[in-house]
Amino acid sequence: SQQGEEDPQALSIQEGENATMNCSYKTSINNLQWYRQNSGRGLVHLILIRSNEREKHSGRLRVTLDTSKKSSSLLITASRAADTASYFCGVREADSWGKLQFGAGTQVVVTP
Amino acid sequence: SQTIHQWPATLVQPVGSPLSLECTVEGTSNPNLYWYRQAAGRGLQLLFYSVGIGQISSEVPQNLSASRPQDRQFILSSKKLLLSDSGFYLCAWSAGGGGHYGYTFGSGTRLTVV
Repeated sequence: SQQGEEDPQALSIQEGENATMNCSYKTSINNLQWYRQNSGRGLVHLILIRSNEREKHSGRLRVTLDTSKKSSSLLITASRAADTASYFCGVREADSWGKLQFGAGTQVVVTP
Repeated sequence: SQTIHQWPATLVQPVGSPLSLECTVEGTSNPNLYWYRQAAGRGLQLLFYSVGIGQISSEVPQNLSASRPQDRQFILSSKKLLLSDSGFYLCAWSAGGGGHYGYTFGSGTRLTVV
């Protein structure tokens, strides 16, 4: 079953701008993880946020989690052309063994 | 350091032919292993996961099967491929203990069934 649903489906911005994408899910979770995928490659883990956390930072990345709204957001600040990729959220349901369920992703294009 | 190897990178197979994709992990023991499939422009669908040798859980009924003959080896197979089996197959591993850690993905196999 598909849990994470990313929004928007696609995002086009210029270098230096911020990019924000959202992830919604349906059930209680243990944690939520964000990944990046460059075209034709495997996914790369970016950030894991646990259900009892509200915000995490990693370099230019900021992730928030609102369990009351069952949603998360990923903010990329001061974007670069190298940030061009698809971004996925993976949801680990609270009552499931370690499996991550992914959505269709947000395709981000950063133009110089 | 831990690494994950997945091969082949690309594969073109006729309908009805068998399939074997292999994934191996180095630098860790007793990893959790996963097979995902990604259709063009779509999200990832979890196919199989394994918590140990010989322990395979299937997420969706389909034309595929998985095996884990060794601790760090995960194999995806089919006896007879269908056109609908085309896609991008990704292997991943995570530390044991049930999803408290991020996944590390392989570089994927693009399978085209013709």
